[in-house]
Amino acid sequence: EAGVTQFPSHSVIEKGQTVTLRCDPISGHDNLYWYRRVMGKEIKFLLHFVKESKQDESGMPNNRFLAERTGGTYSTLKVQPAELEDSGVYFCASSQDLYTQYFGPGTRLTVL
Amino acid sequence: KQEVTQIPAALSVPEGENLVLNCSFTDSAIYNLQWFRQDPGKGLTSLLLIQSSQREQTSGRLNASLDKSSGRSTLYIAASQPGDSATYLCAVVATDSWGKFQFGAGTQVVVTP
Repeated sequence: EAGVTQFPSHSVIEKGQTVTLRCDPISGHDNLYWYRRVMGKEIKFLLHFVKESKQDESGMPNNRFLAERTGGTYSTLKVQPAELEDSGVYFCASSQDLYTQYFGPGTRLTVL
Repeated sequence: KQEVTQIPAALSVPEGENLVLNCSFTDSAIYNLQWFRQDPGKGLTSLLLIQSSQREQTSGRLNASLDKSSGRSTLYIAASQPGDSATYLCAVVATDSWGKFQFGAGTQVVVTP
Protein backbone atom coordinates (compact mmCIF):
# COMPACT_ATOMS: atom_id res chain seq x y z
CA GLU A 1 0.00 0.00 0.00
CA ALA A 2 1.42 3.37 -1.02
CA GLY A 3 1.95 5.88 1.76
CA VAL A 4 1.20 9.58 1.84
CA THR A 5 3.11 11.37 -0.87
CA GLN A 6 3.96 15.03 -1.17
CA PHE A 7 5.23 17.07 -4.06
CA PRO A 8 7.60 18.78 -4.45
CA SER A 9 10.06 17.61 -1.84
CA HIS A 10 11.75 20.99 -1.87
CA SER A 11 10.76 24.36 -3.29
CA VAL A 12 12.80 27.55 -3.39
CA ILE A 13 10.96 30.71 -4.41
CA GLU A 14 11.35 34.46 -4.17
CA LYS A 15 9.29 36.55 -1.81
CA GLY A 16 6.06 37.56 -3.51
CA GLN A 17 5.84 34.52 -5.73
CA THR A 18 3.21 31.81 -5.57
CA VAL A 19 3.85 28.20 -4.61
CA THR A 20 1.49 25.23 -4.65
CA LEU A 21 2.17 22.17 -2.55
CA ARG A 22 0.44 18.90 -3.25
CA CYS A 23 -0.46 16.00 -1.01
CA ASP A 24 -1.76 12.59 -2.08
CA PRO A 25 -3.23 10.74 0.88
CA ILE A 26 -3.47 7.00 1.31
CA SER A 27 -6.28 5.72 -0.87
CA GLY A 28 -9.56 5.55 1.01
CA HIS A 29 -8.55 7.94 3.80
CA ASP A 30 -11.27 10.53 4.22
CA ASN A 31 -9.30 12.64 6.72
CA LEU A 32 -6.45 14.78 5.46
CA TYR A 33 -4.42 17.17 7.61
CA TRP A 34 -1.86 19.83 6.85
CA TYR A 35 0.80 20.81 9.38
CA ARG A 36 3.92 22.92 9.16
CA ARG A 37 7.12 23.39 11.06
CA VAL A 38 8.84 26.74 10.83
CA MET A 39 12.44 27.03 11.96
CA GLY A 40 12.96 26.58 15.67
CA LYS A 41 9.31 25.96 16.41
CA GLU A 42 7.13 22.92 16.94
CA ILE A 43 5.00 21.35 14.23
CA LYS A 44 1.69 23.18 14.10
CA PHE A 45 -1.67 22.20 12.72
CA LEU A 46 -2.97 24.14 9.73
CA LEU A 47 -6.20 22.49 8.68
CA HIS A 48 -8.23 19.32 8.43
CA PHE A 49 -10.33 18.04 5.55
CA VAL A 50 -13.01 15.39 5.78
CA LYS A 51 -13.38 14.28 2.20
CA GLU A 52 -13.60 17.54 0.25
CA SER A 53 -14.91 19.66 3.14
CA LYS A 54 -12.85 21.75 5.52
CA GLN A 55 -13.59 20.47 9.01
CA ASP A 56 -11.19 22.77 10.82
CA GLU A 57 -9.04 25.51 9.36
CA SER A 58 -8.27 27.25 12.63
CA GLY A 59 -4.51 26.89 12.14
CA MET A 60 -4.28 28.67 8.79
CA PRO A 61 -2.05 31.68 9.50
CA ASN A 62 -3.68 34.20 7.16
CA ASN A 63 -5.54 34.59 3.88
CA ARG A 64 -2.41 34.13 1.82
CA PHE A 65 -2.88 30.42 2.38
CA LEU A 66 -5.52 28.53 0.41
CA ALA A 67 -6.14 24.82 0.72
CA GLU A 68 -8.32 22.69 -1.49
CA ARG A 69 -9.15 19.05 -1.77
CA THR A 70 -10.50 18.14 -5.14
CA GLY A 71 -13.11 15.40 -5.10
CA GLY A 72 -11.93 14.28 -1.70
CA THR A 73 -8.72 12.85 -3.09
CA TYR A 74 -5.49 14.85 -3.30
CA SER A 75 -5.09 18.22 -1.67
CA THR A 76 -3.20 21.37 -2.60
CA LEU A 77 -1.95 24.15 -0.38
CA LYS A 78 -1.27 27.39 -2.18
CA VAL A 79 0.71 30.27 -0.70
CA GLN A 80 0.16 33.55 -2.53
CA PRO A 81 2.12 35.77 -2.22
CA ALA A 82 4.83 33.98 -0.25
CA GLU A 83 6.61 35.81 2.56
CA LEU A 84 9.93 35.04 4.24
CA GLU A 85 8.22 33.75 7.38
CA ASP A 86 6.45 31.06 5.34
CA SER A 87 9.71 29.12 5.05
CA GLY A 88 9.56 25.76 6.76
CA VAL A 89 8.53 22.17 6.26
CA TYR A 90 4.93 21.45 5.34
CA PHE A 91 3.61 18.04 6.30
CA CYS A 92 0.51 16.28 5.15
CA ALA A 93 -1.11 13.39 7.00
CA SER A 94 -4.09 11.18 6.31
CA SER A 95 -6.19 8.88 8.39
CA GLN A 96 -9.19 6.63 8.20
CA ASP A 97 -10.16 6.69 11.85
CA LEU A 98 -9.17 10.23 12.92
CA TYR A 99 -6.61 9.09 15.47
CA THR A 100 -4.07 7.04 13.53
CA GLN A 101 -2.45 9.46 11.13
CA TYR A 102 0.12 8.59 8.53
CA PHE A 103 2.50 11.36 7.65
CA GLY A 104 4.10 12.21 4.34
CA PRO A 105 7.79 13.11 4.00
CA GLY A 106 7.06 16.82 3.91
CA THR A 107 7.80 19.65 1.52
CA ARG A 108 10.62 21.98 2.47
CA LEU A 109 9.71 25.51 1.40
CA THR A 110 12.40 28.17 1.26
CA VAL A 111 11.33 31.75 0.56
CA LEU A 112 14.20 34.09 -0.36
CA LYS B 1 -5.12 25.98 25.54
CA GLN B 2 -3.07 22.79 25.33
CA GLU B 3 0.70 23.18 25.51
CA VAL B 4 3.12 20.32 24.98
CA THR B 5 6.68 20.61 26.27
CA GLN B 6 9.59 18.28 25.70
CA ILE B 7 12.68 18.17 27.86
CA PRO B 8 15.54 18.09 27.14
CA ALA B 9 15.72 19.80 23.76
CA ALA B 10 18.85 17.86 22.90
CA LEU B 11 20.59 14.82 24.30
CA SER B 12 23.85 13.06 23.50
CA VAL B 13 24.68 9.66 24.95
CA PRO B 14 27.24 6.94 24.29
CA GLU B 15 26.05 3.77 22.65
CA GLY B 16 24.56 1.29 25.09
CA GLU B 17 23.16 3.81 27.52
CA ASN B 18 19.43 4.02 28.15
CA LEU B 19 17.56 7.07 26.86
CA VAL B 20 14.87 8.87 28.82
CA LEU B 21 12.81 11.49 26.99
CA ASN B 22 10.17 13.54 28.74
CA CYS B 23 6.95 15.09 27.52
CA SER B 24 4.49 17.17 29.52
CA PHE B 25 1.10 18.56 28.55
CA THR B 26 -1.11 21.08 30.28
CA ASP B 27 -4.63 19.77 29.56
CA SER B 28 -5.39 16.22 30.66
CA ALA B 29 -8.49 15.95 28.40
CA ILE B 30 -6.64 13.95 25.80
CA TYR B 31 -7.76 11.09 23.57
CA ASN B 32 -4.29 9.71 23.08
CA LEU B 33 -0.59 10.53 23.08
CA GLN B 34 1.81 9.47 20.40
CA TRP B 35 5.60 9.38 20.11
CA PHE B 36 7.15 9.94 16.71
CA ARG B 37 10.61 9.77 15.30
CA GLN B 38 11.87 12.11 12.60
CA ASP B 39 15.04 11.55 10.64
CA PRO B 40 16.60 14.47 8.75
CA GLY B 41 14.74 15.14 5.50
CA LYS B 42 12.22 12.44 6.22
CA GLY B 43 8.62 12.33 7.42
CA LEU B 44 7.34 11.31 10.80
CA THR B 45 7.42 7.68 11.87
CA SER B 46 5.01 6.66 14.59
CA LEU B 47 6.75 4.77 17.39
CA LEU B 48 4.14 4.24 20.09
CA LEU B 49 0.52 5.25 20.56
CA ILE B 50 -0.93 5.32 24.08
CA GLN B 51 -4.67 5.66 24.51
CA SER B 52 -5.83 7.85 27.37
CA SER B 53 -7.03 4.79 29.30
CA GLN B 54 -3.63 3.10 29.11
CA ARG B 55 -0.61 3.55 31.35
CA GLU B 56 2.09 2.33 29.01
CA GLN B 57 2.98 0.78 25.69
CA THR B 58 5.99 -1.27 24.71
CA SER B 59 7.58 -2.15 21.42
CA GLY B 60 10.93 -3.87 21.41
CA ARG B 61 13.46 -1.62 23.12
CA LEU B 62 10.92 1.19 23.42
CA ASN B 63 8.60 1.78 26.33
CA ALA B 64 6.33 4.76 26.79
CA SER B 65 4.42 5.59 29.93
CA LEU B 66 1.48 7.94 30.38
CA ASP B 67 0.32 9.65 33.55
CA LYS B 68 -2.67 11.65 32.41
CA SER B 69 -3.45 13.15 35.80
CA SER B 70 -0.02 14.75 36.08
CA GLY B 71 0.21 15.52 32.37
CA ARG B 72 3.37 13.54 31.71
CA SER B 73 4.69 10.90 29.37
CA THR B 74 8.13 9.36 29.24
CA LEU B 75 9.75 7.48 26.41
CA TYR B 76 12.45 5.00 27.40
CA ILE B 77 14.81 3.56 24.82
CA ALA B 78 16.90 0.72 26.19
CA ALA B 79 20.48 0.03 25.15
CA SER B 80 20.71 2.89 22.67
CA GLN B 81 22.34 2.42 19.27
CA PRO B 82 23.74 4.94 16.77
CA GLY B 83 20.71 4.20 14.59
CA ASP B 84 18.52 5.69 17.31
CA SER B 85 19.92 9.13 16.50
CA ALA B 86 16.96 11.25 15.40
CA THR B 87 14.50 13.83 16.65
CA TYR B 88 11.78 12.41 18.87
CA LEU B 89 8.44 14.16 18.97
CA CYS B 90 5.58 13.84 21.40
CA ALA B 91 2.07 14.73 20.26
CA VAL B 92 -1.32 14.70 21.96
CA VAL B 93 -4.81 14.56 20.55
CA ALA B 94 -7.43 16.37 22.57
CA THR B 95 -10.79 14.70 23.07
CA ASP B 96 -12.72 17.26 21.05
CA SER B 97 -10.19 17.94 18.33
CA TRP B 98 -11.16 15.64 15.43
CA GLY B 99 -7.78 13.98 15.58
CA LYS B 100 -5.75 17.19 15.40
CA PHE B 101 -2.27 16.70 16.85
CA GLN B 102 -0.63 19.15 19.22
CA PHE B 103 3.13 18.60 19.00
CA GLY B 104 6.01 19.31 21.32
CA ALA B 105 9.16 20.89 19.90
CA GLY B 106 11.04 17.60 20.04
CA THR B 107 14.19 16.18 21.58
CA GLN B 108 17.17 15.81 19.28
CA VAL B 109 19.07 12.66 20.20
CA VAL B 110 22.61 11.74 19.20
CA VAL B 111 23.99 8.33 20.11
CA THR B 112 27.75 8.17 19.71
CA PRO B 113 29.51 4.88 18.87
